[in-house]
Amino acid sequence: QVQLQESGPGLVKPSETLSLTCTVSGGSISSAYWSWIRQPPGKGLQWIAFVSSSGFRSYNPSLKSRVTISADTSKNQVSLKLSAVSAADTAIYYCGRDEGLGYFDLWGQGTLVTVSS
Amino acid sequence: QSVLTQPPSASGTPGQRVTISCSGTTSNIGSDPVSWYQHLPGTAPKLLIYNNDQRPSGVPDRFSGSKSGTSASLAISGLQSDDEADYYCAEWNDSLNGYVFGTGTKVTVL
Repeated sequence: QVQLQESGPGLVKPSETLSLTCTVSGGSISSAYWSWIRQPPGKGLQWIAFVSSSGFRSYNPSLKSRVTISADTSKNQVSLKLSAVSAADTAIYYCGRDEGLGYFDLWGQGTLVTVSS
Repeated sequence: QSVLTQPPSASGTPGQRVTISCSGTTSNIGSDPVSWYQHLPGTAPKLLIYNNDQRPSGVPDRFSGSKSGTSASLAISGLQSDDEADYYCAEWNDSLNGYVFGTGTKVTVL
């Protein structure tokens, strides 16, 4: 079955750019919308951005100036870049799939990113 | 900054029924379908309910969803210890062109 696996550096320095990858296995990233969602320690879920395989994108207005999301159909991967990170960006980052129906039917296990010098 | 408000906590004893509310406005819940997710720390969130009241295959019928006006609810009947988790409502918002999650509710089984 389709599985999502997030990967990236566990530790990022303040003011640097965080880069994460979601690898989709067991299926294609085509015909779906792929999101990044995060959960800071002790807080709730926050949607960050989504991208379709055709490149259509949308961003959370509160993060839009610092976020770039992209999809690589050749690698079956979805990537996230978050610039100028601070301690407030410390969180577990999840990728999720929406097959165009307005909800996430599939999630990855998440990857913890800590922003610290 | 979530605009979908949930109670921070809910609790019940095994076998009881627990209901979690998700309160919004006419521009979100009032006009968009709601989904619900169960999240245990350190694991992938799990879809419980979509389109207000539909259960994906594999989700027990102890979980049920409803919506009325600008509020949605998730009910857990026959509460079990495995149900102890965080629960989030969410919706796709056309005006935002994105998703909004509720503030989350921690369910404790006493």
